[in-house]
Amino acid sequence: DAKTTQPPSMDCAEGRAANLPCNHSTISGNEYVYWYRQIHSQGPQYIIHGLKNNETNEMASLIITEDRKSSTLILPHATLRDTAVYYCIVPLNTDKLIFGTGTRLQVFP
Amino acid sequence: NAGVMQNPRHLVRRRGQEARLRCSPMKGHSHVYWYRQLPEEGLKFMVYLQKENIIDESGMPKERFSAEFPKEGPSILRIQQVVRGDSAAYFCASSVNSGRSTDTQYFGPGTRLTVL
Repeated sequence: DAKTTQPPSMDCAEGRAANLPCNHSTISGNEYVYWYRQIHSQGPQYIIHGLKNNETNEMASLIITEDRKSSTLILPHATLRDTAVYYCIVPLNTDKLIFGTGTRLQVFP
Repeated sequence: NAGVMQNPRHLVRRRGQEARLRCSPMKGHSHVYWYRQLPEEGLKFMVYLQKENIIDESGMPKERFSAEFPKEGPSILRIQQVVRGDSAAYFCASSVNSGRSTDTQYFGPGTRLTVL
């Protein structure tokens, strides 16, 4: 799997946009970028994924740079329930996901 | 459309006993993955199975751990002669077999194993 680098922690005010960066400079041309989050000790929750184009769904937006070496997950209006550890993962194939340390996002009132 | 189901949600065993963890994938999914999360640590891949086949078990401990995904029924992660170090949250994920290079994995709520 391509190695990813994320800041260990971030804070965000409730109602504001949370922008979570991820570096994946060794990504290959056919590798997707996936984002998951884990709220407290629950099972990881799939958020979004993309290859080269920006993606948006009901949960978030994913912005991938043109060279694909980095991406940003955007939660447009963060709520307290978005407090979680967010993982950026680049899996090579359908096999195992490698979870790093992620970014611990704290949303405050 | 039920998600990935795991049971039991909590399991307590004494040292030396056996633990059986079950995982029912999402409807239409034929691939199952097991991950383990030790206390205060990240998730680690254990094993990847398709129906009746183990595809990748590179993350499985060499002894006492086994996994299966029979033609009928849930996937089973079996831990024999449990030790205190096996106490962890065990998560199952499933995906479809779309033929693409990457399929999204969807996770269950996990089974929390406590070994006394």
